[in-house]
Amino acid sequence: NAGVTQTPKFQVLKTGQSMTLQCAQDMNHNSMYWYRQDPGMGLRLIYYSASEGTTDKGEVPNGYNVSRLNKREFSLRLESAAPSQTSVYFCASSASTGSSYEQFFGPGTRLTVL
Amino acid sequence: EDQVTQSPEALRLQEGESSSLNCSYTVSGLRGLFWYRQDPGKGPEFLFTLYSAGEEKEKERLKATLTKKESFLHITAPKPEDSATYLCAVQAASNYQLIWGAGTKLIIKP
Repeated sequence: NAGVTQTPKFQVLKTGQSMTLQCAQDMNHNSMYWYRQDPGMGLRLIYYSASEGTTDKGEVPNGYNVSRLNKREFSLRLESAAPSQTSVYFCASSASTGSSYEQFFGPGTRLTVL
Repeated sequence: EDQVTQSPEALRLQEGESSSLNCSYTVSGLRGLFWYRQDPGKGPEFLFTLYSAGEEKEKERLKATLTKKESFLHITAPKPEDSATYLCAVQAASNYQLIWGAGTKLIIKP
């Protein structure tokens, strides 16, 4: 039982390059989330998927796209990376979006955009 | 505007020295308040959920309490392995998104 897994763990991009961050969970959770974490700031929600087949914007969606591939997988795509997207990205999942359901986090992807 | 503020930013304690971390929040109707622990290089790990003022929850050396404006995470007789960043988040009644504080970095010296 791996929980939430993310690939890659580290990535360096040049400005303008594209990449996809992968996330998978094996807990049969309905809801999945993508966050970014920057020094001195709280986690900020980029996109979330309340259930398979749905996605919604969070607080900071500009420059990102997501795909809920199936119930297990939720990917985040940067179409044209910018230095402002240098951050640590976390994927999380929960049984549902209500407050009774804690979010389980992956180990993160550390992205640097030069 | 919904907001979460954690203090202090960092706290250094000697092993066995008890203290408290603060999480102040402004939200239009609280659905839940969450505490997480984050170790360096890892994702946050869930600790507690509190739902209403007066509620308390405990886990080993940690005790979380909630009022209408803030939550405290009390650490009793901490050990070096309690060193981590502690994150607080709130969920407003109006939507399902969590609003996170910037965290308190706790360092316990042996």
